[in-house]
Amino acid sequence: AQSVTQLGSHVSVSEGALVLLRCNYSSSVPPYLFWYVQYPNQGLQLLLKYTSAATLVKGINGFEAEFKKSETSFHLTKPSAHMSDAAEYFCAVSRSGGYQKVTFGTGTKLQVIP
Amino acid sequence: KAGVTQTPRYLIKTRGQQVTLSCSPISGHRSVSWYQQTPGQGLQFLFEYFSETQRNKGNFPGRFSGRQFSNSRSEMNVSTLELGDSALYLCASSLEPGDVTQYFGPGTRLLVL
Repeated sequence: AQSVTQLGSHVSVSEGALVLLRCNYSSSVPPYLFWYVQYPNQGLQLLLKYTSAATLVKGINGFEAEFKKSETSFHLTKPSAHMSDAAEYFCAVSRSGGYQKVTFGTGTKLQVIP
Repeated sequence: KAGVTQTPRYLIKTRGQQVTLSCSPISGHRSVSWYQQTPGQGLQFLFEYFSETQRNKGNFPGRFSGRQFSNSRSEMNVSTLELGDSALYLCASSLEPGDVTQYFGPGTRLLVL
């Protein structure tokens, strides 16, 4: 079985501050990991994905995430928050190889304070 | 390339009715997955279709069904609607079932009264 846990359902940061959204995974096989963003009344947009290549993954909009096997973590970061980053972020895990089924975390709503 | 499209975007139904939602995947994508998103349960996998065949199904009652056409377009149907079926229904497409990268549509928001 595979799962992800997102720590903190709501995170607030000031504009220009570091964004850190936490995700820990559980998987019996090497995982594929994803971060998605969802703006109000929209679907999910893929920010970045880890598929066993480089452990530091760069995504769109200045976001990046680092895969740490020893900590079973895949935290999402951005050096400087913009107002436009306010949205809900979902971490997701899929098993590598064979048929894939994606399991999503419960989401973290990011508020950016001007 | 056009993204994943879903119709309708919004829908209001009453208990006991049935509803059909449509999803057109990105051109060339042959795998379509459906998810239900609610504030209480989050994102839950409904089912996946590939080559007009259901490949996998989540833990939902038989009232939820789907199908895929030869052009990869997919529909999902919910019969005998219940209040708890109110949700955002998201469709995602990928090239093949083994492709871990999914692209999501904007969703259909269903309200059951």
